[in-house]
Amino acid sequence: AQSVTQLDSQVPVFEEAPVELRCNYSSSVSVYLFWYVQYPNQGLQLLLKYLSGSTLVESINGFEAEFNKSQTSFHLRKPSVHISDTAEYFCAVSAPYNQGGKLIFGQGTELSVKP
Amino acid sequence: GAVVSQHPSRVICKSGTSVKIECRSLDFQATTMFWYRQFPKKSLMLMATSNEGSKATYEQGVEKDKFLINHASLTLSTLTVTSAHPEDSSFYICSAGIAGAMADTQYFGPGTRLTVL
Repeated sequence: AQSVTQLDSQVPVFEEAPVELRCNYSSSVSVYLFWYVQYPNQGLQLLLKYLSGSTLVESINGFEAEFNKSQTSFHLRKPSVHISDTAEYFCAVSAPYNQGGKLIFGQGTELSVKP
Repeated sequence: GAVVSQHPSRVICKSGTSVKIECRSLDFQATTMFWYRQFPKKSLMLMATSNEGSKATYEQGVEKDKFLINHASLTLSTLTVTSAHPEDSSFYICSAGIAGAMADTQYFGPGTRLTVL
């Protein structure tokens, strides 16, 4: 079975400051890792994912995450945040579809960017 | 690409009535569709997994007769909340999964806000 822990429930930060949202996981099998973003009253949007290959993955809007197998982490970072980045961020883990494929979500981190 | 829609986006109904929520993959054929429930300020809770043409697999604690799932085609799944009660009020989100070629990723619909009076 897999589990995900997001270490911070809320992260307040000023605009243009760097931010890191922490995510740790546990699993007995190889997993895929995801970050999703949810704006108020909306569904989830895929931000980035790690499936295999390079351990550093990037999104189109400046976020990046690094898969660290030894530390079982997949922290999300952005060097300079904008007001529009204010949202709820969910880290998730899944086994491949042929091994069940269910997404297991962390509890979420509320990122609040202040001017 | 990989767009998932849900209808309706918001529904208010009286206690005891049934409500149907549709989930469609608009530009791809989904191997599997998932239904989640999200409470305020909480994470998503997987309710069930459905594959086209077969019965849905429900998570522990989810009432099969309460939450009916039909997966009629590779682009459409429906969730029917039967005899809804106020405690069923929640944000319901579906996702469509693509195995293999698009690398085992789920794409989420915009959600349906259900309010039962």
